Amino acid sequence: EDQVTQSPEALRLQEGESSSLNCSYTVSGLRGLFWYRQDPGKGPEFLFTLYSAGEEKEKERLKATLTKKESFLHITAPKPEDSATYLCAVRGSGGYNKLIFGAGTRLAVHP
Amino acid sequence: GAVVSQHPSRVICKSGTSVKIECRSLDFQATTMFWYRQFPKQSLMLMATSNEGSKATYEQGVEKDKFLINHASLTLSTLTVTSAHPEDSSFYICSARGYETSGRQNYEQYFGPGTRLTVT
Repeated sequence: EDQVTQSPEALRLQEGESSSLNCSYTVSGLRGLFWYRQDPGKGPEFLFTLYSAGEEKEKERLKATLTKKESFLHITAPKPEDSATYLCAVRGSGGYNKLIFGAGTRLAVHP
Repeated sequence: GAVVSQHPSRVICKSGTSVKIECRSLDFQATTMFWYRQFPKQSLMLMATSNEGSKATYEQGVEKDKFLINHASLTLSTLTVTSAHPEDSSFYICSARGYETSGRQNYEQYFGPGTRLTVT
């Protein structure tokens, strides 16, 4: 069964304090690993898609990396506006476009 | 990026009534739309997948007679919660994927802003 586990559940950082969020996954035939940002009371906002081990993508202070078992979302010198819940999801070969989401990491960045 | 809208953003209804939620793709043709439910501090759970012009495919444990999904056009899907009960109170989010105006197929899922349903 496809499964996604995110850690930590919650993370509190000081502004400028870099850190990483983890997404561990098991999936039959990875067809993409997705990172989304979700603000309270809003729908998820697409950040990145990674397709193969070794792939990396960057956007402003965020960088996503992928191995065969996990993905990391690195946040460099975060700002308070980076506070949100970060969701990881995978799409496998057996689910026909179905995304399996992790529970998310709630990030709070304090000034 | 593609834009998906939902209406209403919030709705309160009485137990036993039905409520309809709309999901629209504003700048692309959504061949596939997905409906999710999210409880507080929990992740998104897929309820059903619908392809334009076809019947929706429901996930295990989701009652198709209670959660009616219609995807009659390439820009609109609706979710109707029938005979709503307090336990149906949740945050409902749709997503869509399909073809951009250029004709290029986009495999990413773009999410709407969500609808907060409260059943009293």
